[in-house]
Amino acid sequence: KQEVTQIPAALSVPEGENLVLNCSFTDSAIYNLQWFRQDPGKGLTSLLLIQSSQREQTSGRLNASLDKSSGRSTLYIAASQPGDSATYLCALFTGGGNKLTFGTGTQLKVEL
Amino acid sequence: NAGVTQTPKFRILKIGQSMTLQCTQDMNHNYMYWYRQDPGMGLKLIYYSVGAGITDKGEVPNGYNVSRSTTEDFPLRLELAAPSQTSVYFCASSYSRAGIGNQPQHFGDGTRLSIL
Repeated sequence: KQEVTQIPAALSVPEGENLVLNCSFTDSAIYNLQWFRQDPGKGLTSLLLIQSSQREQTSGRLNASLDKSSGRSTLYIAASQPGDSATYLCALFTGGGNKLTFGTGTQLKVEL
Repeated sequence: NAGVTQTPKFRILKIGQSMTLQCTQDMNHNYMYWYRQDPGMGLKLIYYSVGAGITDKGEVPNGYNVSRSTTEDFPLRLELAAPSQTSVYFCASSYSRAGIGNQPQHFGDGTRLSIL
């Protein structure tokens, strides 16, 4: 059974800092990995999707990496802004069904 | 472009009552999903559908039912509400299977359900 862990559960950083969010998973036989952003009272917004054959994806100030052999993914946020404050979740699709397995998320607060 | 629309946004039910959570999407997506999110937990899949007339159980289907009579709509039914079903419910849709290709899932804003 795929288990997804995100550490830390919460993170507070000053504006402008570069930061890394971590996602660990137990089953390396994945099809892809997605990073989502969730704002309070809102649904999830897909940020980046990495196929199993890829090592990283970039979108603006965001860069996500994938290392299947070690069961890890990181989301790098450059020059953080208060608007980046949200909960970030990673999710993996391991096939065998139409199912994404979600981590519990990292709650990020970027302070002025 | 509305995307995925869920109604209602909030609801309080008494134990034993029933209700239907509505979900509709206007992106002509074949795949639709219902998740629940409990405090401090990740999302868990309740039911999903790969097209009109086809539904299947997810990870936590007990106490719920779904139907998919049209491509656009995927309602979730609670027949006998229990306190354990207090949660935030999210509906999502995608063009292809969960994340296959570069097609992400699109989520609604959720329905916050309390059962007292």
